Amino acid sequence: NAGVTQTPKFRVLKTGQSMTLLCAQDMNHEYMYWYRQDPGMGLRLIHYSVGEGTTAKGEVPDGYNVSRLKKQNFLLGLESAAPSQTSVYFCASSPPGQVLNEQFFGPGTRLTVL
Amino acid sequence: QKEVEQDPGPLSVPEGAIVSLNCTYSNSAFQYFMWYRQYSRKGPELLMYTYSSGNKEDGRFTAQVDKSSKYISLFIRDSQPSDSATYLCAMSGPGSARQLTFGSGTQLTVLP
Repeated sequence: NAGVTQTPKFRVLKTGQSMTLLCAQDMNHEYMYWYRQDPGMGLRLIHYSVGEGTTAKGEVPDGYNVSRLKKQNFLLGLESAAPSQTSVYFCASSPPGQVLNEQFFGPGTRLTVL
Repeated sequence: QKEVEQDPGPLSVPEGAIVSLNCTYSNSAFQYFMWYRQYSRKGPELLMYTYSSGNKEDGRFTAQVDKSSKYISLFIRDSQPSDSATYLCAMSGPGSARQLTFGSGTQLTVLP
């Protein structure tokens, strides 16, 4: 049981390049989330999904797109990377039926945009 | 004003000290109050949670919620170097659309 995994762990991009971050979970969770973490800013929600085929915007969605074609995978895309998107990106998942909404996090992807 | 405010730290204490970490919030609809612990270069993990007001104890850790003051705390007794991490408060409630609202995190270092 690997939990939540993220690919890649590190990436350096040049301004204007595109990339996709992959999140996979093997816990059969319905809900999945993408966050970015910046110093002094805590975790900010980019996009989330409440089930296969659904996505919704979070607090900071601009410049990002997502897709949830399979229940276990949640992809985060950057179409044209900007230096302001330099951050650590975390994916999380949570099971349905919990008001608590405990979220299980992956190990993160460190992205630098030059 | 942010919905959740957390003392930013960093906080450095000697081994064995009592640590107090705090958050304030503005949304009175929050019902679940959580503390996540994040070790360096790792993802956050849920440490403990409290429903509504009151205290909850788990070993050396105590979570406290005062809904009348919109103030939550995490106390660590007999702190250990292995407690060195960033601690994030998080909150949720009905109508939050399955989202958590996080504080900015407090970086704690326990010196041996």
